[in-house]
Amino acid sequence: GAVVSQHPSRVICKSGTSVKIECRSLDFQATTMFWYRQFPKQSLMLMATSNEGSKATYEQGVEKDKFLINHASLTLSTLTVTSAHPEDSSFYICSAQEGSPYNEQFFGPGTRLTVL
Amino acid sequence: DAKTTQPNSMESNEEEPVHLPCNHSTISGTDYIHWYRQLPSQGPEYVIHGLTSNVNNRMASLAIAEDRKSSTLILHRATLRDAAVYYCILRGSRNAGNMLTFGGGTRLMVKP
Repeated sequence: GAVVSQHPSRVICKSGTSVKIECRSLDFQATTMFWYRQFPKQSLMLMATSNEGSKATYEQGVEKDKFLINHASLTLSTLTVTSAHPEDSSFYICSAQEGSPYNEQFFGPGTRLTVL
Repeated sequence: DAKTTQPNSMESNEEEPVHLPCNHSTISGTDYIHWYRQLPSQGPEYVIHGLTSNVNNRMASLAIAEDRKSSTLILHRATLRDAAVYYCILRGSRNAGNMLTFGGGTRLMVKP
């Protein structure tokens, strides 16, 4: 099946710093990528949807100026958590989809962010 | 969006079949039933999906009720590696087709 990678797998940073997370589709072209956040013992919550070359569409309650998403190529999307605070500590997961919106989504392994 | 209801948790013995239920009484005619699972500290993994007919693949089987208001994911022989949270998700034209809305899922525990 299709492979999606994320880097880094885990990151620890100080409060107030910015962190960039990369999501790559390794063997297919991802016209759409999704970013999810998952707090402990909770389900995944969609943060934003991004299409290559377009601005991301953010879900209600997600600050676009805090969570910067760039989908500059068909194989790479980045999520930058700006001025991170301890409440941003979470498991961030991306998924990627090729072509039709009804095609399967393939998920990355996730990035564990801890903000001290 | 059409919602799904799943038990919070289920237990199974290793090597035995597991039937994971999902209720979706407000499903629309164009909604596909998708199942994903999430192993601890990993991203979700696609398991199976179907529309009306029962489906089989190498991972599992999906049995869909005739009225489509419920479905059951069947793992034929549970292994310890099947311990995960299983999500039943409806996906169709009402949510633009490509969105996956994750509910609480069912945490499956497999006992040796």
